[in-house]
Amino acid sequence: GAGVSQSPSNKVTEKGKDVELRCDPISGHTALYWYRQSLGQGLEFLIYFQGNSAPDKSGLPSDRFSAERTGGSVSTLTIQRTQQEDSAVYLCASSFTLGQDDRGYTFGSGTRLTVV
Amino acid sequence: SQKIEQNSEALNIQEGKTATLTCNYTNYSPAYLQWYRQDPGRGPVFLLLIRENEKEKRKERLKVTFDTTLKQSLFHITASQPADSATYLCEGGATNKLIFGTGTLLAVQP
Repeated sequence: GAGVSQSPSNKVTEKGKDVELRCDPISGHTALYWYRQSLGQGLEFLIYFQGNSAPDKSGLPSDRFSAERTGGSVSTLTIQRTQQEDSAVYLCASSFTLGQDDRGYTFGSGTRLTVV
Repeated sequence: SQKIEQNSEALNIQEGKTATLTCNYTNYSPAYLQWYRQDPGRGPVFLLLIRENEKEKRKERLKVTFDTTLKQSLFHITASQPADSATYLCEGGATNKLIFGTGTLLAVQP
């Protein structure tokens, strides 16, 4: 597609429920990243995928968070047993290569998650 | 801990002046630094990337520097316009480290 697409754009869920957030990266981009942004805060790195390599999960805040990338394209971020502190905007980005790429990352518009 | 620090106070400048934003990194050595612009309710938009072996990079009205001695990057917007008003984010990338700062809000007054 022309850009990085994320769905849903907004999600309200009850505490304790599981949620799935989806990211469609730009075709041809081998690297895919998930970040979380809380109100007035910077972007908190969660996980990245690069090609067929094992993902770097070092940023995932707890074992309630997991992510997968199927066929080197679409990615799903799953949060189990959601807590109120999970409320944030979840941003996905993709790039041609990991890191030093003069074209940078292309971000989606994010999914605003509210846990009530 | 490894951090990217940006001035949390908003920067207010007059149209036509040069805006200078600061990004400092601590406890790690990024191989590159990236600058992004973020408008309210939108994802960040890539502006420039500078590598550790590059001292300066320019793109139109934008200029970025990378000083490994001061552990700092400066981001300049010359001839600023009200449309440049946004939050500017700095990201420092190293092996297994992708760290963003909290951003600096720039407000350009007409």
